[in-house]
Amino acid sequence: QSALTQPASVSGSPGQSITISCTGTSTDVGGYNSVSWYQQHPGKVPKLLIYEVTDRPSGISSRFSGSKSGSTVSLTISGLQAEDEADYYCSSYSSTPPSYVFGSGTKVTVL
Amino acid sequence: EVQLVESGGDLVQPGGSLRLSCVVSGFTFSNYWMTWVRQVPGKGLEWVGNIRQDGGDKNYGGSVRGRFTISRDNSKNSLYLQMNSLRADDSAVYFCARDVRATGAHDYWGQGTLVTVSS
Repeated sequence: QSALTQPASVSGSPGQSITISCTGTSTDVGGYNSVSWYQQHPGKVPKLLIYEVTDRPSGISSRFSGSKSGSTVSLTISGLQAEDEADYYCSSYSSTPPSYVFGSGTKVTVL
Repeated sequence: EVQLVESGGDLVQPGGSLRLSCVVSGFTFSNYWMTWVRQVPGKGLEWVGNIRQDGGDKNYGGSVRGRFTISRDNSKNSLYLQMNSLRADDSAVYFCARDVRATGAHDYWGQGTLVTVSS
């Protein structure tokens, strides 16, 4: 399976909102709601931000939100903060064959 | 406190085999799907495979299917990854992770164990 397509980098100023897209196909993102988002700081373990497209685990800031349109899901970070500078990955269930696939990753830079 | 601790990473020659382990604590292991994810340092995440609570359903990523086998021992709170016919491009940090119900999302991760495949 090919990795889901994410922009290599996104940047924004503190306080702004940014959106990271994640594009797949009808056999993964477009066909299922088992989509999640992760944040990974350098040298750290990935942290779950969003699951099932829009749900936030306990303890995750409401500044992080997810959405979906067709075969593209998006992660929006509002009120951008310096600590949000990290790599972000999406992940989706893929049906052929049953498995999961990660996105290519997006580096977020806070200007 | 939920903890996942991987072990077994090593330097192995191409074509060789290696078995990784992940011992968990702080939750009822037998209630959760579990997943292996790998990451080449400095690169992106790659889903390796997962296993159902009872071990009766397993799924694998395309690059490891047929070479890697996931298993678990619920009596030992342990998850395993048997890796055969290893190749240089299998070199990575391997993470075990707990799944959020059956969503495929991973809410707890181990710190990872490094596998290097080289002659």
